Amino acid sequence: EVQLLESGGGLVQPGGSLRLSCAASGFTFSSYTMSWVRQAPGKGLEWVSDITDSGGITYYADSLRGHFTISRDNSKNTLYLQMNSLSVEDTAVYYCARPYCSGGCYSPSYWGQGTLVTVSS
Amino acid sequence: QAVVTQEPSLTVSPGGTVTLTCGSSTGTVTSGHYPYWFQQKPGQAPRTLIYDASDKYPWTPARFSGSLLGGKAALTLSGAQPEDEAEYYCLLSYGASRVFGGGTKLTVL
Repeated sequence: EVQLLESGGGLVQPGGSLRLSCAASGFTFSSYTMSWVRQAPGKGLEWVSDITDSGGITYYADSLRGHFTISRDNSKNTLYLQMNSLSVEDTAVYYCARPYCSGGCYSPSYWGQGTLVTVSS
Repeated sequence: QAVVTQEPSLTVSPGGTVTLTCGSSTGTVTSGHYPYWFQQKPGQAPRTLIYDASDKYPWTPARFSGSLLGGKAALTLSGAQPEDEAEYYCLLSYGASRVFGGGTKLTVL
């Protein structure tokens, strides 16, 4: 069974940093591109970032490039999101997601339950 | 960055049919935008229903179908059930970037 478990969320002051983790199980983590998607309270979904299976290529939403860094440790089956210079606008539930592969691979398809990040003084 | 537009809200009667659409500020939505559709209920993570405009997952109820229609991506629900009341989002790809629509709140009433 595919399982994605996000952690690392919490309360952080504006200007602070936080690193989110997504622990994967039930599949060969190192074979899949992974994604982060966020959702501000009462708002819609926002794509944040993708990282290829090896970690060699990363993609970011234009507004977040240089602000967030996606990475992964395939030996630990874990995806990360390093968030720096946080502002109140970054307050959101952060989801990690992986593809469904049948022929090609299609993502985001499987989702974690999310971790809440609150940026407030 | 492109803007992806969806109807803010729609209402469908139980057993009825409704079509949600997903447009792009850059013009016609094509298969090259690899449209996805998601369902989200309050307090839950999203559930992906459709990929590549019209392909279904093993878990996608048969009453949901996706298409390209009139220059937009479309999600059609045929035979609406009370449990289909939810927020629905589309996602379009623009090269290395991806943009979600603002969501459609679907009421089954």
